[in-house]
Amino acid sequence: GAGVSQSPSNKVTEKGKDVELRCDPISGHTALYWYRQSLGQGLEFLIYFQGNSAPDKSGLPSDRFSAERTGGSVSTLTIQRTQQEDSAVYLCASRSVNSGNTIYFGEGSWLTVV
Amino acid sequence: DQQVKQNSPSLSVQEGRISILNCDYTNSMFDYFLWYKKYPAEGPTFLISISSIKDKNEDGRFTVFLNKSAKHLSLHIVPSQPGDSAVYFCAASGETSGSRLTFGEGTQLTVNP
Repeated sequence: GAGVSQSPSNKVTEKGKDVELRCDPISGHTALYWYRQSLGQGLEFLIYFQGNSAPDKSGLPSDRFSAERTGGSVSTLTIQRTQQEDSAVYLCASRSVNSGNTIYFGEGSWLTVV
Repeated sequence: DQQVKQNSPSLSVQEGRISILNCDYTNSMFDYFLWYKKYPAEGPTFLISISSIKDKNEDGRFTVFLNKSAKHLSLHIVPSQPGDSAVYFCAASGETSGSRLTFGEGTQLTVNP
């Protein structure tokens, strides 16, 4: 597609359940990022994939969070045993080698843990 | 450790006037800076960027200024329009952060008709 596509756009889940969030980057973009924005907060880096290199996982807040990127394209962010503090909008972004350091965001997946 | 800071959570200006959004950073290794705009319920959209080899970059109504010695950048919007009302994030990257962007907390700009 033309832009970064994320699904689901909204997710309400019960505390303790696992959730999966999907990101389909812009075609041809080799770099993929996950950020999140909690209510009233800035954008918090979670994880970064670049080609076949090992991902930069330094932003993942706990071992309940994991992400994978299959085939160098689609990425899935998994949150296990969700907690209320996980409620946030999860933003995926991608970048091409031709766009310098400019990354392009999707619309986000709004997660609410009740 | 907040390496990129936007100290003003909100700014209100009149339509037609200048909006000035400020951003400070602490990491001297940052060498590329960007501004993003975010409307409610949408993802951030890229607005304008500047490399550390420049001190100014202009694109239409938007100009970004970089003061490396002060570790400060600003976004000027002239003239401001009601449609500019959004949250503005500054972001920075550098060799030590790889291609990761570090974002500020954002400033809510409101342009009043």
